[in-house]
Amino acid sequence: GAVVSQHPSWVICKSGTSVKIECRSLDFQATTMFWYRQFPKQSLMLMATSNEGSKATYEQGVEKDKFLINHASLTLSTLTVTSAHPEDSSFYICSARWQRDEQYFGPGTRLTVT
Amino acid sequence: RKEVEQDPGPFNVPEGATVAFNCTYSNSASQSFFWYRQDCRKEPKLLMSVYSSGNEDGRFTAQLNRASQYISLLIRDSKLSDSATYLCVVAYNDMRFGAGTRLTVKP
Repeated sequence: GAVVSQHPSWVICKSGTSVKIECRSLDFQATTMFWYRQFPKQSLMLMATSNEGSKATYEQGVEKDKFLINHASLTLSTLTVTSAHPEDSSFYICSARWQRDEQYFGPGTRLTVT
Repeated sequence: RKEVEQDPGPFNVPEGATVAFNCTYSNSASQSFFWYRQDCRKEPKLLMSVYSSGNEDGRFTAQLNRASQYISLLIRDSKLSDSATYLCVVAYNDMRFGAGTRLTVKP
């Protein structure tokens, strides 16, 4: 399988600040990466699809100006949560598409906004 | 109607039991199908892909019925370590996740 890393794994920030989360495919090139959010005891919710070299495609209801996605290279996508609020506290997970539509997930970033 | 629907669970079974999970999907154009496993506070991990001919990997058997838009996962001789949430995933242009079914295997 493919390896996807995510950094940081855990972050606490104050309300109003911005947080950047990095997602890297370590042993393969990923033209497409995905960002998900998961609240406790709920399923993964797709936030956006990140395409290398182009703008991300956001799911309905996800504010693109609040959740900035940059896919600058074939191995790196970043998600920046701007002006974070306590309701943004969640588990953010990225994934990268490998072969045969299989997706491999990063270990996730637990964000707590105080 | 949700795009991917799963048995809500939770399933509580004794060690050694056989347990089956079901999943239905709404997009008939879906191309790929998977079962993922997610442990508490961890990321999902691919358990197995699901093929039209059905596939088996040790104690796990997955089946797909395109006509009925139905996917299943069968776990035989369940182990304590099988306790997790099992996610049904359907892919078209992107992947859509079911809400997951929680399994607890007890001694």
